[in-house]
Amino acid sequence: NAGVMQNPRHLVRRRGQEARLRCSPMKGHSHVYWYRQLPEEGLKFMVYLQKENIIDESGMPKERFSAEFPKEGPSILRIQQVVRGDSAAYFCASSPGGRSYEQYFGPGTRLTVT
Amino acid sequence: QKEVEQDPGPLSVPEGAIVSLNCTYSNSAFQYFMWYRQYSRKGPELLMYTYSSGNKEDGRFTAQVDKSSKYISLFIRDSQPSDSATYLCAMRRGSYIPTFGRGTSLIVHP
Repeated sequence: NAGVMQNPRHLVRRRGQEARLRCSPMKGHSHVYWYRQLPEEGLKFMVYLQKENIIDESGMPKERFSAEFPKEGPSILRIQQVVRGDSAAYFCASSPGGRSYEQYFGPGTRLTVT
Repeated sequence: QKEVEQDPGPLSVPEGAIVSLNCTYSNSAFQYFMWYRQYSRKGPELLMYTYSSGNKEDGRFTAQVDKSSKYISLFIRDSQPSDSATYLCAMRRGSYIPTFGRGTSLIVHP
């Protein structure tokens, strides 16, 4: 499967715990985007990364949220001290970069905070 | 006013009908226009990708962009129950991050 991969698909955390969401982009893609989707709402941009660089994090809350895309391995979205309002579907998308910005999405991680 | 407006529906049509899905936008700088299909509890799937005004056809799908009216449409011919999904429009300017509509839920009943 050469598509965007995300894991875990479902994640349950208690309030105050940490959540780590992983995203492996499509083969040959060096750009990764993270989005959050709440019921009845559209996709909300969080952060845009290239390998080892955060390009745009304007949509990501300043506190508790962080993202990285290391030289080797998947991109990680980390949420510290989760609260019930963090419960949502988190999607990762990748694009090849260069002159192409078409984004291809993964299946998402559904985070439930209890 | 939101940058991208999209009626959430649901839009219910009989099988075989022509479906018209629409978005309006306020930012005249948008140049690239996309339509995504999202099945329940799945990730969005890129359906159509167009640049500037005009029409683009792919099988049963036609994407239409009218920049003068700031209005884009997705037409689905001979709709099938398997087309039942949420359709998201998205648009961006240059290399900027795309802005998504909230999606229209489509139900095609046999």
